[in-house]
Amino acid sequence: DSGVTQTPKHLITATGQRVTLRCSPRSGDLSVYWYQQSLDQGLQFLIQYYNGEERAKGNILERFSAQQFPDLHSELNLSSLELGDSALYFCASSVDQRGPQETQYFGPGTRLLVL
Amino acid sequence: EDQVTQSPEALRLQEGESSSLNCSYTVSGLRGLFWYRQDPGKGPEFLFTLYSAGEEKEKERLKATLTKKESFLHITAPKPEDSATYLCAVRTNDYKLSFGAGTTVTVRA
Repeated sequence: DSGVTQTPKHLITATGQRVTLRCSPRSGDLSVYWYQQSLDQGLQFLIQYYNGEERAKGNILERFSAQQFPDLHSELNLSSLELGDSALYFCASSVDQRGPQETQYFGPGTRLLVL
Repeated sequence: EDQVTQSPEALRLQEGESSSLNCSYTVSGLRGLFWYRQDPGKGPEFLFTLYSAGEEKEKERLKATLTKKESFLHITAPKPEDSATYLCAVRTNDYKLSFGAGTTVTVRA
């Protein structure tokens, strides 16, 4: 158990819908990262927040957005869902983004199925 | 563009048969190389971080090494419970973590 929690574990929805994935980082971690893992793309970095502020962006679609709240939990919002958005979505957290404390610890993931 | 390539894609071993996994990278400004283990449908589990060429880390039957262009994950006398996908990732100056596609290891009893 990494200490990172994600809800829900599974999500089934229809094309065109909007969903919200939630992540609680490990106690004391200030950085939260979101990743998408699909069979053909592997693990892809989406976005990072550090202490409430956006720090880095990867290949995140405009239909996707995220935020980190004052209590440091984070939410990933996916809208206008398409079949191709079906994937495992992981959240990771780290204490900081520099030096030995930058190791990212991953949550159990949310499996999203868009029908 | 940063690239991380893992080989082989899949590795089938007999219990006790040692082997090595390779992770080669082309990045600008390496700030760390990470190894993770991932079981099917689960989140990646952190194994090691390596920061400089020549560095080695060990944990049970696993040993990770780093050179200027690649890293190796050695599995010594593997057991069936070592079956998993092993992911390599590199962190560069922009703090992003780029993952390789992984090596799926299957250890038969």
